[in-house]
Amino acid sequence: GAGVSQSPSNKVTEKGKDVELRCDPISGHTALYWYRQSLGQGLEFLIYFQGNSAPDKSGLPSDRFSAERTGGSVSTLTIQRTQQEDSAVYLCASSPMAGQRGTDTQYFGPGTRLTVL
Amino acid sequence: GENVEQHPSTLSVQEGDSAVIKCTYSDSASNYFPWYKQELGKGPQLIIDIRSNVGEKKDQRIAVTLNKTAKHFSLHITETQPEDSAVYFCAASDGGSYIPTFGRGTSLIVHP
Repeated sequence: GAGVSQSPSNKVTEKGKDVELRCDPISGHTALYWYRQSLGQGLEFLIYFQGNSAPDKSGLPSDRFSAERTGGSVSTLTIQRTQQEDSAVYLCASSPMAGQRGTDTQYFGPGTRLTVL
Repeated sequence: GENVEQHPSTLSVQEGDSAVIKCTYSDSASNYFPWYKQELGKGPQLIIDIRSNVGEKKDQRIAVTLNKTAKHFSLHITETQPEDSAVYFCAASDGGSYIPTFGRGTSLIVHP
């Protein structure tokens, strides 16, 4: 079946503009994660959604970052007033969460490469 | 919280050699340890995982070992091929978190 999809694949924006990044998880997966990956760096956790529970926003770097997940499926990550340091690849992952907490495999999308000029 | 250290950051080998990547973790409650492979321009993909009730797991040329006492786990790739070239990430999930902690990644280069 289809994997996790993200759009756009690339986004170039000017400093100060707002951007929206979209993630379509695997159908039926209840958990959804957003990560940020800067050039040559590891995966920085941003936010986690699980079903109808309140999201875990503990990784969001500032109040310019927000995310929502509508109907328990598609998620949108919004960055307001973008800064050059926001330039990175933003990865989305989903997980079925059918097993024990923290033990389910994450399936990653291809990412959105964001460049802030 | 959990802390995962991954070494080396870069590993260069000749085709046919073996490659070993090591990770240590801090939380003794961690019970799930996946390894992901990230090719250029793509998202990470799971290649193998191990749970805390076993010490070793193999899948063809790939194996993972876990030492719970020492709190470290390793990825072993035998008979490396150029297509194994990628960035490899380890991760650990502790018993109380839905959010795995990732290592910083190892760039593996296999020279033909």
